[in-house]
Amino acid sequence: EPEVTQTPSHQVTQMGQEVILRCVPISNHLYFYWYRQILGQKVEFLVSFYNNEISEKSEIFDDQFSVERPDGSNFTLKIRSTKLEDSAMYFCAAVFSLSYEQYFGPGTRLTVT
Amino acid sequence: EDQVTQSPEALRLQEGESSSLNCSYTVSGLRGLFWYRQDPGKGPEFLFTLYSAGEEKEKERLKATLTKKESFLHITAPKPEDSATYLCAVQARDDKIIFGKGTRLHILP
Repeated sequence: EPEVTQTPSHQVTQMGQEVILRCVPISNHLYFYWYRQILGQKVEFLVSFYNNEISEKSEIFDDQFSVERPDGSNFTLKIRSTKLEDSAMYFCAAVFSLSYEQYFGPGTRLTVT
Repeated sequence: EDQVTQSPEALRLQEGESSSLNCSYTVSGLRGLFWYRQDPGKGPEFLFTLYSAGEEKEKERLKATLTKKESFLHITAPKPEDSATYLCAVQARDDKIIFGKGTRLHILP
């Protein structure tokens, strides 16, 4: 089964600081996604990435957010100036075939204080 | 507006007691409907993708079905290890993925 890893598992930061969350999909992938899940709430789509470009983004994904593929394998999600309401689990997911099966990483728990 | 509604919010069953979880959706141009299992503190685990009305898929004690307005996840003779939150999501024509709030399933031994 395809594997997706994320680092760090838990990040604590102060309000206004920048954070970078990392994801590595093991083996080739077609699509790549970032999601967030605020505690006790539903999983929310942030952005999808295809062919090294953003293919779709939600209203949540404002100018505070950016995604990059810095070295051809890792994907990063950057939040420029964190707010208290950014505290959530952040998941990345990858699609490896045209059946659109998404494989999620274990998540990064972001706590903004 | 595209949306996904899951019911019930929570369900407690005795081991072996079969039941169904519902996922109702409204979406512009359904590209796919997905079912996931999520354990506490973990990422969603893929179960099924359904593409068109009438389609059915099975995996062990789980069976997913799809109509034009809803999907059901049937669980037959569940075991305690099937306890989890089950998530439904749809992919619209614009590639956005919309999740429901999930059904928390608890199987009592």
